Amino acid sequence: EDKVVQSPLSLVVHEGDTVTLNCSYEVTNFRSLLWYKQEKKAPTFLFMLTSSGIEKKSGRLSSILDKKELFSILNITATQTGDSAVYLCAVTGNQFYFGTGTSLTVIP
Amino acid sequence: DVKVTQSSRYLVKRTGEKVFLECVQDMDHENMFWYRQDPGLGLRLIYFSYDVKMKEKGDIPEGYSVSREKKERFSLILESASTNQTSMYLCASTAGGFYYGYTFGSGTRLTVV
Repeated sequence: EDKVVQSPLSLVVHEGDTVTLNCSYEVTNFRSLLWYKQEKKAPTFLFMLTSSGIEKKSGRLSSILDKKELFSILNITATQTGDSAVYLCAVTGNQFYFGTGTSLTVIP
Repeated sequence: DVKVTQSSRYLVKRTGEKVFLECVQDMDHENMFWYRQDPGLGLRLIYFSYDVKMKEKGDIPEGYSVSREKKERFSLILESASTNQTSMYLCASTAGGFYYGYTFGSGTRLTVV
């Protein structure tokens, strides 16, 4: 059965901390892995990863994919309260599969 | 900017009512999807459509139906709303295959009382 598993389910950190969110998957005909950020409304796109070992960066966020070990990580450095959100991992294969998300709370 | 618009942000309906959730996208996308999102369960696919008048069941179609009479519009219908259908409903669209990921609508939070 195809699945996407995210960990941890929730996380509380202080501003300035660095966090690592994990996404592992077992998906037939893997095509891409995507990260979304969801704040009280619809998810917004962060990254799409298709190749192993190539880091994608956007400001304080970065992500990398390991297609051999079937996982991805999303790093956030120097966290801010505005980073508080649910972070969703999704994998495309024959269909689109979502993880349940990691809820990140950044406290001042 | 690709836009996926859901007609209502918040809805409160009574048990047994027929409920229509509307979704419109403006980028000529072939594929449209309806999900519901519940705490601890993540996003679950209800129905999707690859083309006009075409629909496919997702993982949890029971109690729902859909309509796609025009390419830009995908409607989710709750034939007889029940309290266990209280949820956040998200519409999404994508061009071509799944490869490129979704563009989501802003969501409709439905409460059935």
